[in-house]
Formats: sequence, structure tokens, C-alpha cells
Amino acid sequence: AQSVSQHNHHVILSEAASLELGCNYSYGGTVNLFWYVQYPGQHLQLLLKYFSGDPLVKGIKGFEAEFIKSKFSFNLRKPSVQWSDTAEYFCAVNGFSGGYNKLIFGAGTRLAVHP
Amino acid sequence: DAGVTQSPTHLIKTRGQQVTLRCSPKSGHDTVSWYQQALGQGPQFIFQYYEEEERQRGNFPDRFSGHQFPNYSSELNVNALLLGDSALYLCASSPPGTRGEQYFGPGTRLTVT
Repeated sequence: AQSVSQHNHHVILSEAASLELGCNYSYGGTVNLFWYVQYPGQHLQLLLKYFSGDPLVKGIKGFEAEFIKSKFSFNLRKPSVQWSDTAEYFCAVNGFSGGYNKLIFGAGTRLAVHP
Repeated sequence: DAGVTQSPTHLIKTRGQQVTLRCSPKSGHDTVSWYQQALGQGPQFIFQYYEEEERQRGNFPDRFSGHQFPNYSSELNVNALLLGDSALYLCASSPPGTRGEQYFGPGTRLTVT
């Protein structure tokens, strides 16, 4: 079945710590990959996206993600987190079975950053 | 430039009733998708509308239906509400010519009692 897995449901970090959130998908074909963020009380916002080309993509607010095709992974990273990064992060994928209409989301990772 | 807007913000309905949720896409966007997000889960795709037609549908029963208007706005209708329909309903819009990049609205919180 087409699915997206996020390994960590809850992550707690101190400010200035490095962040890596895992995301894996189950499909061998061409996909597009996205990370969305939902800050407390706000709506889902697109953090970054990968369509093709350089597998290391940079997004807003210092976030980056690396697409590793052989591992079906698209992990999100940030070298030094801030308290304002406290949010829920969702990995999403489309392109399953050649269709780009439907985004399939992971269950999300709730990040809490302590000052 | 207004983003995706949805109405109402919150809604409380009784089992068996029907509900209509509304969405206005971001300016310049022509495709609207609807998602259901239950507590503690990621959004689940309900369906997508393009050129006033349902283009793709997720694994939701026929009680869930929709419509897209000529101005690209959209409605989601749910009939015969069940307790399990309680969730946050998200609308997302996409600009023409993209590979599925979607921008989300704030959602409508539906509670079924």
C-alpha cells in the first residue's frame, strides 16, 4: 500500500540542538516530496518541496531536506533549532501510481523546543 | 493577497444531519482539494476538484460529496453524519501547471454529537 512513515511522533530538544526528522515512503516510482509545518494555532504551511534535481533542498527558516532515492527517504534537518520551531511537522508525498493530485501524509512529528 | 479561506471556523452538528463546508482558493489557483484530519493524525485526502469536476477521490464513502464553482471556490458536503466524522476539514488549493504543490486553509473544525 502507498504510505508515508514518520518515525518520531514526539521530539523534545533544547535550543541550539540539531534536528533531524525521518520520513520514508513506500513506492518505487517517481514521487514529489514535501514537508509541511503547523505552528500552534496556525494552518499548515509549506516548508519545502522536492520535485527533481539536486536531492538536497533548502526551505524557509533554515530548514533543509535530503532525498535519498535508494532509501525512499526524505529527512528534514535544521542545524540549530529555536524555541519558535516548536510545531508539528508533516511529511507528504504525491505521485503514487503516476497521479499528482493526492498528497499522502505521514502521521506527523510534534517538536517541542525548550529555551 | 488572501490565502485559502474556509468557512465556518467551527461547526457542531448532530448525528444524521447534513453539513456544507466552504472554501475559497488562493488567488490564481484553479484546483481545490479537501482533506480530513482526525486528532493526532495526518490529513487524509477526500477528493480534488478541477474545472468543476471531481478529478480524483480518496477512500471516503459517497456520503462525502463536493462541488466546484466557476470562480474555483468549492463546497464539501457530508450527509448522514456519524460521530466518526468529527475532525478538522482542510481545503487546499493549487496553482495551474504545478506538480501537486498545495496550499492549505485554516480548516473547519466539525464536531458531531
